[in-house]
Amino acid sequence: NAGVTQTPKFRILKIGQSMTLQCTQDMNHNYMYWYRQDPGMGLKLIYYSVGAGITDKGEVPNGYNVSRSTTEDFPLRLELAAPSQTSVYFCAMSDRGNQPQHFGDGTRLSIL
Amino acid sequence: GIQVEQSPPDLILQEGANSTLRCNFSDSVNNLQWFHQNPWGQLINLFYIPSGTKQNGRLSATTVATERYSLLYISSSQTTDSGVYFCAVEGYTNAGKSTFGDGTTLTVKP
Repeated sequence: NAGVTQTPKFRILKIGQSMTLQCTQDMNHNYMYWYRQDPGMGLKLIYYSVGAGITDKGEVPNGYNVSRSTTEDFPLRLELAAPSQTSVYFCAMSDRGNQPQHFGDGTRLSIL
Repeated sequence: GIQVEQSPPDLILQEGANSTLRCNFSDSVNNLQWFHQNPWGQLINLFYIPSGTKQNGRLSATTVATERYSLLYISSSQTTDSGVYFCAVEGYTNAGKSTFGDGTTLTVKP
């Protein structure tokens, strides 16, 4: 079992470009999450999903979009990349609410 | 939203020493987790502990929900314990929305 797989591991974008960060889990867990981590800081929740077809905003959703068409996949979309979105992005899963979250290895994104 | 404060922000230990990390939170929670972020950036879930005490090897954690704090104990520290330790909480009114503290950076010297 791989758990949570994130791709790509690294990416450099130019301002105004768009991209999708991929997140896939193989544990059939209902809950999935996207966080960003800025240098020296804790993680901040961008979006989360409690099941296929259901998504909700977290603390810092502006500039991002998500979809959850299947239990396994939870992609994060950046439409118009801005330097403020330079960060490390983590995807996580949990079986349900109030259960331990398990993280992917992250995607390091730089926007220049 | 819930505020989470971790202390100390930085901690330097000699190998073999013991340490206590603290997490204070501003409201009632139904979910509290401790994570270790290793020097390679990977996040490992250490404990899911909304209340009570748990132990896993040299690590243990205690959450006193009524007083709104949690403690992570590391005994006989090893260099591999180095990294950042995060506390994350979830309130009753925000199911699914975890709030992380800014972490405690632990450096264990050989």
